[in-house]
Amino acid sequence: EADIYQTPRYLVIGTGKKITLECSQTMGHDKMYWYQQDPGMELHLIHYSYGVNSTEKGDLSSESTVSRIRTEHFPLTLESARPSHTSQYLCASSERTVGELFFGEGSRLTVL
Amino acid sequence: QKEVEQNSGPLSVPEGAIASLNCTYSDRGSQSFFWYRQYSGKSPELIMSIYSNGDKEDGRFTAQLNKASQYVSLLIRDSQPSDSATYLCAVNGGGYSTLTFGKGTMLLVSP
Repeated sequence: EADIYQTPRYLVIGTGKKITLECSQTMGHDKMYWYQQDPGMELHLIHYSYGVNSTEKGDLSSESTVSRIRTEHFPLTLESARPSHTSQYLCASSERTVGELFFGEGSRLTVL
Repeated sequence: QKEVEQNSGPLSVPEGAIASLNCTYSDRGSQSFFWYRQYSGKSPELIMSIYSNGDKEDGRFTAQLNKASQYVSLLIRDSQPSDSATYLCAVNGGGYSTLTFGKGTMLLVSP
């Protein structure tokens, strides 16, 4: 079983609030990813990292930012949440192959 | 824009039948291919990967790849109600390129 953890699992906040979604993994994986998934839709890559101090934006334009100061930790921050940010956010990691991902349980964000 | 296409379904099969899930991709340079299973309200989990043309079998699952036709499929033999889920096809272009997911096909296995 994959050891990758996301908090909070559920979050309801008001517009304009700053939020940080936490993601940690204990597998020592260098590669970590943040995906966004809406119901019935495909996963969209919003950020990824191939190691400490390395971060890249994904295919989906996002107003979020990420950091990778430690191998095991890859938090995602929204400076000012909007209703359009309402979605499921999935964190994942991989060891060698980019395609063999281990996913966390997800953070479901609702912005009112 | 790299695209991965799947029929959204639902694909309904009776218990014990073979379920066939299909996926096409647009990037001819794609190198590796993956099938993920996602139960309702849960995160995706990897069930199969395939890197070369032909078939790859793992238990009741068989992945099939045809790079010339840009087509990858997943066969589930002896389908069980517990196989009911959405199956996501994912494609990687190789090297440091990232993974592109399809929207998934919902599979319903009736007892």
